[in-house]
Amino acid sequence: GESVGLHLPTLSVQEGDNSIINCAYSNSASDYFIWYKQESGKGPQFIIDIRSNMDKRQGQRVTVLLNKTVKHLSLQIAATQPGDSAVYFCAENQGGGATNKLIFGTGTLLAVQP
Amino acid sequence: DAGVTQSPTHLIKTRGQQVTLRCSPISGHKSVSWYQQVLGQGPQFIFQYYEKEERGRGNFPDRFSARQFPNYSSELNVNALLLGDSALYLCASSLVASTNTEAFFGQGTRLTVV
Repeated sequence: GESVGLHLPTLSVQEGDNSIINCAYSNSASDYFIWYKQESGKGPQFIIDIRSNMDKRQGQRVTVLLNKTVKHLSLQIAATQPGDSAVYFCAENQGGGATNKLIFGTGTLLAVQP
Repeated sequence: DAGVTQSPTHLIKTRGQQVTLRCSPISGHKSVSWYQQVLGQGPQFIFQYYEKEERGRGNFPDRFSARQFPNYSSELNVNALLLGDSALYLCASSLVASTNTEAFFGQGTRLTVV
């Protein structure tokens, strides 16, 4: 079946270190991927997206890498800060062109230690 | 600019009752999607509406219904509530309904069924 999953449910890092959150997807036809950050009691917050015709995209302190050969997605956060502590979700767009249906993984909890 | 707004923020209902949740998208956005997020899991797609028409539906029973109004706001209705319907209900707004379109989430409505 189609699914988007994460390798690590919890990631603990020291403040100032770089964080890497991984995600695997199974639908090779998916062509758009998004990373969301969700803090406790809030809705998911858009971080960065990437289309399948790219293998890397950079934002402010974040980089998303896409490896279509092994159907793997990762989010890199540079110089992790306490405010980065949250649950991170990767999402796969399976809209098929006419819709914007997102399939989410179960999430990774990022805990930043001071 | 106002982001996606949802009301109410919290709600407690009894089994068998009906509930209506409301969402106002970002100004200029014509598509609204609804997601259910059970504690500890990623959001699950329920519906997408675009220009008042249903564009996609997830694997949810007919007790779940939705509609979109001419001003692009939307309502999600759930009939005959079950304990398992307790969740955070999220509304996502996007400019259009197609793939590769960023989706922005509201803060959600926390529904508790007792």
